[in-house]
Formats: sequence, structure tokens, C-alpha cells
Amino acid sequence: EAGVAQSPRYKIIEKRQSVAFWCNPISGHATLYWYQQILGQGPKLLIQFQNNGVVDDSQLPKDRFSAERLKGVDSTLKIQPAKLEDSAVYLCASSLASLVEQYFGPGTRLTVT
Amino acid sequence: DAKTTQPNSMESNEEEPVHLPCNHSTISGTDYIHWYRQLPSQGPEYVIHGLTSNVNNRMASLAIAEDRKSSTLILHRATLRDAAVYYCILRPPTGANNLFFGTGTRLTVIP
Repeated sequence: EAGVAQSPRYKIIEKRQSVAFWCNPISGHATLYWYQQILGQGPKLLIQFQNNGVVDDSQLPKDRFSAERLKGVDSTLKIQPAKLEDSAVYLCASSLASLVEQYFGPGTRLTVT
Repeated sequence: DAKTTQPNSMESNEEEPVHLPCNHSTISGTDYIHWYRQLPSQGPEYVIHGLTSNVNNRMASLAIAEDRKSSTLILHRATLRDAAVYYCILRPPTGANNLFFGTGTRLTVIP
């Protein structure tokens, strides 16, 4: 079974630039999550989708972050404009449904200079 | 969200058992106890979960205290591949499936 795919794996941008991350969940998984993991901390949920609808985006900084999952399969997370404090690993996860174990991708390491 | 407390770090010798503790004194009666681990440069991976009874799977065992205020993840024979950060997470049975990660326990396995 193929795992959660993410790209790119690494990205370096300057502050105020924009960046987008892509995630392809495990086939058939209805629920998709984006997490932000700052160095030395545990992952923090940014947004959760159920199919193509948003379940929880309470921790998403909506003035600069946006995410979509248009066809209920893959998803993109965008930051515009980026700030230095956005430097982190962005993890995508998926699960068959809510309330079951989550499968994580390898993450995208973002460095904002 | 109910809080968990874990030691920042632990060490174990290779091929010896490892007991990773987690305190969750404010756990509600219906919260599940989940464990995930994160190997270096990888995303977290599910290890095990339980509610009241002890649980075993191919990766580990989970021992849950009778009052459910603490639990212990048991790796029966630590290998170098088990070196990771281990997260103990409480999850309610309903609602969004958010996982609230703390800082976890960094396990070092000594060859």
C-alpha cells in the first residue's frame, strides 16, 4: 500500500514570498490533515478535511495560510506571504475516517530566510 | 484538551525492554490513549492505542493503570530502529480526530 506522498521535501524561500505544498493521501482515505511542526515541538494541527469539506481550521492563520482539497483527494497548503516564524516541517496525514489511526507523510521542510 | 506528561528523554540498551511512562491525571472516562512515534526525519507513525485494558500488537504493549491516570508503553526488546520521539496522546471518542501532540519522550537506544 502506497503511503502519503508529499512534495516538495525541502523548500527555502525569502520572507514575504509565497509557497505551496502538495499532499496525496492514501487511496480511499476520506480524512486529510495538515500539521505544522516547529523544531523541538510536537506537530500542531492546522486544518482537517473530511472529503472536500473543512472539519476544523481553528488553528490555521487564515490571514496568510490557505488550504484546499477540491476533489476530495489530494490537497494543497499555501502560505502567502511567508514570515520567518513559518519555518517548520509541514506534515500531511490521512485516515480512512475520523477517529481512526492517522498515517503521516514524510513532511516538507520549509526554511524562510 | 486533557494534558499528558512524559519525561523529555530516556535511554535504553539495545535488546533490553523499555518502559515509557505517561501521566494523564485529567483523563476523562471516554478518552482513548494513543501512542505515536516519530523517527528522525520522518512523519509520526501510529504505535498502539487502548481504553481500559492492556493491549498488545506487533510493535509494542500498552499497560494502562487501573485508575487510567497513567499508562506505559512497553517495547519488549529495543532495537536501534526504535530510537525516536514517542508521543502519548489522549483522544476523545467523538468529534474531530485531532491529535494534540506534546513534546514527547526522546528515546535513545545504545548499541
